[in-house]
Amino acid sequence: EDKVVQSPLSLVVHEGDTVTLNCSYEVTNFRSLLWYKQEKKAPTFLFMLTSSGIEKKSGRLSSILDKKELFSILNITATQTGDSAVYLCAVADAGNMLTFGGGTRLMVKP
Amino acid sequence: DAGVIQSPRHEVTEMGQEVTLRCKPISGHDYLFWYRQTMMRGLELLIYFNNNVPIDDSGMPEDRFSAKMPNASFSTLKIQPSEPRDSAVYFCASSFGGRVDEQFFGPGTRLTVL
Repeated sequence: EDKVVQSPLSLVVHEGDTVTLNCSYEVTNFRSLLWYKQEKKAPTFLFMLTSSGIEKKSGRLSSILDKKELFSILNITATQTGDSAVYLCAVADAGNMLTFGGGTRLMVKP
Repeated sequence: DAGVIQSPRHEVTEMGQEVTLRCKPISGHDYLFWYRQTMMRGLELLIYFNNNVPIDDSGMPEDRFSAKMPNASFSTLKIQPSEPRDSAVYFCASSFGGRVDEQFFGPGTRLTVL
């Protein structure tokens, strides 16, 4: 059974801090790893990673995948209160199935 | 462009009643996914369709759950009879075959079964 574990479960930081969120996985027939941000409603797509060592970047957010060690990290620099959310990691297998981790709840205080 | 549309946004029903959740995927998307999110189990895939055909329903919890996709712009998830443990947020998501994994989620239906 595919498995995705995220850490930490929750995190409280102050504006301007840098945070690193972790995601480790076990999956048969790995195809991609995805990061989503979930505020009060639906998850919204952040990144899709398929290759090891290639950083994906969008503004203050960046992510990288290590397929040998089976993990990914999501970095957020210069955090803002608007970054407060649950960040979800998911892995996709060759059968188009996404398995989600339990999420990391990030709170950014002013 | 409109995103994924779900209705109703909230549903409160009594145990034993039939519940029907509805979803309209993004136009042009050929994959549609139904998820359930709870505090205990997180976000779980229930079933997905490709070109209106159910491909994998291994996540459907039991026979009380059924899903249909009669055409490319509409899908339903039905629970009959409903039970209190079905209370959750149900999300529909869609994606395009060229980037299947990049799924766009609807706003969800919060279901409460009393």
